[in-house]
Amino acid sequence: GEQVEQLPSILRVQEGSSASINCTYENSASNYFPWYKQEPGENPKLIIDIRSNMERKQTQGLIVLLDKKAKRFSLHITDTQPGDSAMYFCAATVRGAGNKLTFGIGTRVLVRP
Amino acid sequence: GALVYQYPRRTICKSGTSMRMECQAVGFQATSVAWYRQSPQKTFELIALSTVNSAIKYEQNFTQEKFPISHPNLSFSSMTVLNAYLEDRGLYLCGARYSYEQYFGPGTRLTVL
Repeated sequence: GEQVEQLPSILRVQEGSSASINCTYENSASNYFPWYKQEPGENPKLIIDIRSNMERKQTQGLIVLLDKKAKRFSLHITDTQPGDSAMYFCAATVRGAGNKLTFGIGTRVLVRP
Repeated sequence: GALVYQYPRRTICKSGTSMRMECQAVGFQATSVAWYRQSPQKTFELIALSTVNSAIKYEQNFTQEKFPISHPNLSFSSMTVLNAYLEDRGLYLCGARYSYEQYFGPGTRLTVL
């Protein structure tokens, strides 16, 4: 199986600054790490992901880093905007476990104007 | 683009009754479908993984007798919550997988009275 720890649980940032969320996993066979954003009353939406053959990926103000040795991956939101306020979930899939994603507990990001 | 529809979006049922929810992948053929429950203040609990032409794998604390799933083709899956009670409340999410990516539907919110 897999266990995913996610920190912090709440993150308050000033608009324009960056926000960072960190996750760790246990199973070295995990090979896919997606990040989901969930706004109140909405379903979680895939915003960025990274596979184990990469260390860094960037798209539209989002950067995800993967450190396989430390079994750690992180999401960095650059130049935060009020619209970035939401719950963010990290997840990991173990190779060979099919569709099974193990999720972190979530981080509530609050962007102050 | 990849879209996942779920029906109904919200449902209310009396304690002890059953309700069925559906999941439809549009624009892609899902290699597998995962059903999750997101309870208040909790992260995502995986209920079961379903792959067409393979046995459905239920997670611990979830059984086929309680959550029977039908997955007849690569685009459609349904799950029934039998004899629903208060602890079954929550947002039931269908995650349809294409390659590595898993896309969630909007969820079916179940309220049990």
